[in-house]
Amino acid sequence: GQSLEQPSEVTAVEGAIVQINCTYQTSGFYGLSWYQQHDGGAPTFLSYNALDGLEETGRFSSFLSRSDSYGYLLLQELQMKDSASYFCALNQAGTALIFGKGTTLSVSS
Amino acid sequence: GAVVSQHPSWVICKSGTSVKIECRSLDFQATTMFWYRQFPKQSLMLMATSNEGSKATYEQGVEKDKFLINHASLTLSTLTVTSAHPEDSSFYICSAKGGAGANEKLFFGSGTQLSVL
Repeated sequence: GQSLEQPSEVTAVEGAIVQINCTYQTSGFYGLSWYQQHDGGAPTFLSYNALDGLEETGRFSSFLSRSDSYGYLLLQELQMKDSASYFCALNQAGTALIFGKGTTLSVSS
Repeated sequence: GAVVSQHPSWVICKSGTSVKIECRSLDFQATTMFWYRQFPKQSLMLMATSNEGSKATYEQGVEKDKFLINHASLTLSTLTVTSAHPEDSSFYICSAKGGAGANEKLFFGSGTQLSVL
C-alpha cells in the first residue's frame, strides 16, 4: 500500500521560512505533489516533483529525494494568508492522488 | 488553467433523502474523475474513481449502493448520496485529471458541504 507522513502542525511568524517534511512509502512512484487548502475551501495545487531536486515557484519551493522517499515544501517570506493546511500527495500513474494527513500552518504577526 | 466546476457548494437535507452532486470539467475532457470525502480537520479520502462510460471503481469500505456515481459524458460526473444519514455529513470534493505524463495533475472542484439533519 501507500502511506505518507507529515507533521500535524507547524507555527511560524510573518516573514519567516518554514519547511514541511513528507516521507512516503509506495510502489510505482510517479511523483510527489503539494496542495494548499484553506478552511472551507478546495485544495489548490502548489508544486510537483517527479525528479530529484528542487522546484521553485515564487515564495514556495518543493524538494524531492526519491532514494530517501522524502520531500519537503519550503515556504519563504511567510504571510498571514499562508495560514492553511498543506498536503503532500503521491502521484501514481493512472490512479488518483493519495493524500497525507495534512499539516496545519499557523502564521502569526 | 483547467477548471472543474462542482455544484452545489452546500446542501442541507433531511435524513433519508437523496442528494446529487455534479462535477463538470469546463474546458477540457476528463475521462477519469475522482471523488473524495473530507471530514473536519482530516485528510482527503478517496471514495471512488469515475470512468466515462463504465462503472465506477470504489475504494474499500465505500458502499457503492449508497454513493452512486454516474459518468455519462467526458465532462460530467455525478455523485448521488442515497438515503443520507447524519454520519454522511461531510465535505465532498471532485477532481479531474488534466495534462499528460509527468505533467499530469489533479484539478479540484470547489467542494460540496453536505449537512444531513
